[in-house]
Amino acid sequence: NAGVTQTPKFQVLKTGQSMTLQCAQDMNHNSMYWYRQDPGMGLRLIYYSASEGTTDKGEVPNGYNVSRLNKREFSLRLESAAPSQTSVYFCASTLAGGTGELFFGEGSRLTVL
Amino acid sequence: RKEVEQDPGPFNVPEGATVAFNCTYSNSASQSFFWYRQDCRKEPKLLMSVYSSGNEDGRFTAQLNRASQYISLLIRDSKLSDSATYLCVVMDTGRRALTFGSGTRLQVQP
Repeated sequence: NAGVTQTPKFQVLKTGQSMTLQCAQDMNHNSMYWYRQDPGMGLRLIYYSASEGTTDKGEVPNGYNVSRLNKREFSLRLESAAPSQTSVYFCASTLAGGTGELFFGEGSRLTVL
Repeated sequence: RKEVEQDPGPFNVPEGATVAFNCTYSNSASQSFFWYRQDCRKEPKLLMSVYSSGNEDGRFTAQLNRASQYISLLIRDSKLSDSATYLCVVMDTGRRALTFGSGTRLQVQP
C-alpha cells in the first residue's frame, strides 16, 4: 500500500524561486494537511483541507498557498522561497470522523539558499 | 505559551528502565489526545491514543488528566528500539486539526 506519497523528497532552491510540493493519498481520506518541522519547534500546521474543495489556514500559512486538486491530491506552493522556509515538510491525511490518526508521507527536505 | 508543551529531554536511560514523559496542553476544549513516535529523519507514526480512563498497550501506558490538562506516557522495560522522539498530540474539534508538541527525545542505552 502506497499510503501518502510526497514529491520531491529533497529540493534545493535559491531565494525567490518558486516550487510546488505534491502530495497524494490512496486511502480515500477526506482530510489532508501540510506541516513543517524545524529543530526544537515540533510540527507546525501550515494549511489543511477538511474535505475536497475546502482549505483553511493553520498556524504558519504566510508564504504558502495550497490547492486541493481532488480528494487524493493536496499540493503546497512556495511562490517566492525565503531562507526561513528551509524545513522538512510533511503531508498527512486522515479519515474525517475516524480515530483521528494521521498518516504521514515520508517528508520533503527543502533548503532555500 | 505553547498550546502543547513537552520536556525536550533527552532522556538517557538504560535498557530495562521505566521512563515517563509528561505533556501539558493549554486549550481546555481539546477533545482527543495521542502519542506519536518519530524516528530520526522519519515521519511521525501513531503510538497510541489516550483515553480518559487511561489505557495500556503492552509496555506502554498513557494517562489523561483533564482537570490538570496533563497527559503522560509510561514506558516499562525499555528496549533499545524504543529510542526515538515521542510527540504529544492534541486535537481540538473546532479546528479539525492536530497540534503537536515539540517532542521528547528518548535514548535507551545498552
